Amino acid sequence: NAGVTQTPKFQVLKTGQSMTLQCAQDMNHNSMYWYRQDPGMGLRLIYYSASEGTTDKGEVPNGYNVSRLNKREFSLRLESAAPSQTSVYFCASSHPLKNTVTDTQYFGPGTRLTVL
Amino acid sequence: QKEVEQDPGPLSVPEGAIVSLNCTYSNSAFQYFMWYRQYSRKGPELLMYTYSSGNKEDGRFTAQVDKSSKYISLFIRDSQPSDSATYLCAMGRTGANSKLTFGKGITLSVRP
Repeated sequence: NAGVTQTPKFQVLKTGQSMTLQCAQDMNHNSMYWYRQDPGMGLRLIYYSASEGTTDKGEVPNGYNVSRLNKREFSLRLESAAPSQTSVYFCASSHPLKNTVTDTQYFGPGTRLTVL
Repeated sequence: QKEVEQDPGPLSVPEGAIVSLNCTYSNSAFQYFMWYRQYSRKGPELLMYTYSSGNKEDGRFTAQVDKSSKYISLFIRDSQPSDSATYLCAMGRTGANSKLTFGKGITLSVRP
């Protein structure tokens, strides 16, 4: 089990360029998430997908789009990158905790993005 | 008021110290309380979780929840340099596909 994988690990963009961050999980989880993590701000939810074919906005969706390609893959696209999008991006997937009715999340290793 | 507040830190302690990490919350709908540990340049990983009020122990770690005060704590006994990491509290409601609400995290450094 690779768990949650993300590509690329690092990326430098110029303002206005576009790129797609890829995420895949092999744990057969229904729900997947994209977060950004900035110093002093903690983890902020960008978008999430409760199941294949559905996506919803989180706390900070502006400037991003997502695509739930299938149950395994959930990509995040920056159409026109801005310096304010410099951050570390984490993908996560979730499933119910054992003997509970709530989910816990499993995170990928992150993508460090710098926008110049 | 933020739903979840966590002391910003950072926190530096000598090896062997007892560490107390805390979060407060405002939403009484939270039923599940989790602690994630995040090593430098890695993703967060689940450390412990508790349901409703009470204590849960796992080795040197104890998670405590006081729902009446809306206060949760993580205690680390005999802290080790390998415990140096950022610790994030997270809280969830009952129900499948429920999203978690995270604290901002506190960075702990354990000095040899």
